Amino acid sequence: RKEVEQDPGPFNVPEGATVAFNCTYSNSASQSFFWYRQDCRKEPKLLMSVYSSGNEDGRFTAQLNRASQYISLLIRDSKLSDSATYLCVVTHTGRRALTFGSGTRLQVQP
Amino acid sequence: DAGVIQSPRHEVTEMGQEVTLRCKPISGHDYLFWYRQTMMRGLELLIYFNNNVPIDDSGMPEDRFSAKMPNASFSTLKIQPSEPRDSAVYFCASSFRLGGYTFGSGTRLTVV
Repeated sequence: RKEVEQDPGPFNVPEGATVAFNCTYSNSASQSFFWYRQDCRKEPKLLMSVYSSGNEDGRFTAQLNRASQYISLLIRDSKLSDSATYLCVVTHTGRRALTFGSGTRLQVQP
Repeated sequence: DAGVIQSPRHEVTEMGQEVTLRCKPISGHDYLFWYRQTMMRGLELLIYFNNNVPIDDSGMPEDRFSAKMPNASFSTLKIQPSEPRDSAVYFCASSFRLGGYTFGSGTRLTVV
């Protein structure tokens, strides 16, 4: 079992739709949480950090549930440019490196 | 700032040959990471350095893989001998203390 689990998708949604991705992590020592975005044949780039209180950045909302070891990302009013793979990422106490989920692919259609 | 610079962008080599991947981190960053991405296994950490010292190399697949960081501005990942199963995209990333990570554009390695 992978340490960070994601539904691989693909999620095919029309423009303007709201879409939600979920992620679970198994290591209770996980300390910091992120969503990264990766376009086809490109490097991963930070989309947003995820905080226990939940946080929002424009059309994107991230939530963390430490008790259930569950992270979510909500995208409202989807744009064609949101088409990408979304990677759930954690770090652990005392370890600087990022641990990646396998990613969820999103395709927004006109 | 030019970002994290990796070379080469693409490498095609024959099985058994030595392959060297190179990375120049962002100036002033004290952490450097090597990741490998495949369709089957996703993004996996191979090794990371702090202040040029290897901290965690538990992700290095086997003795055929080695990584060095002779100074703060340069790191190499070497595979000798290479095998077809090493075909992947290799990313280098750097960060400063608790700050964000910046990834290079990656090296796409094909071993035939």
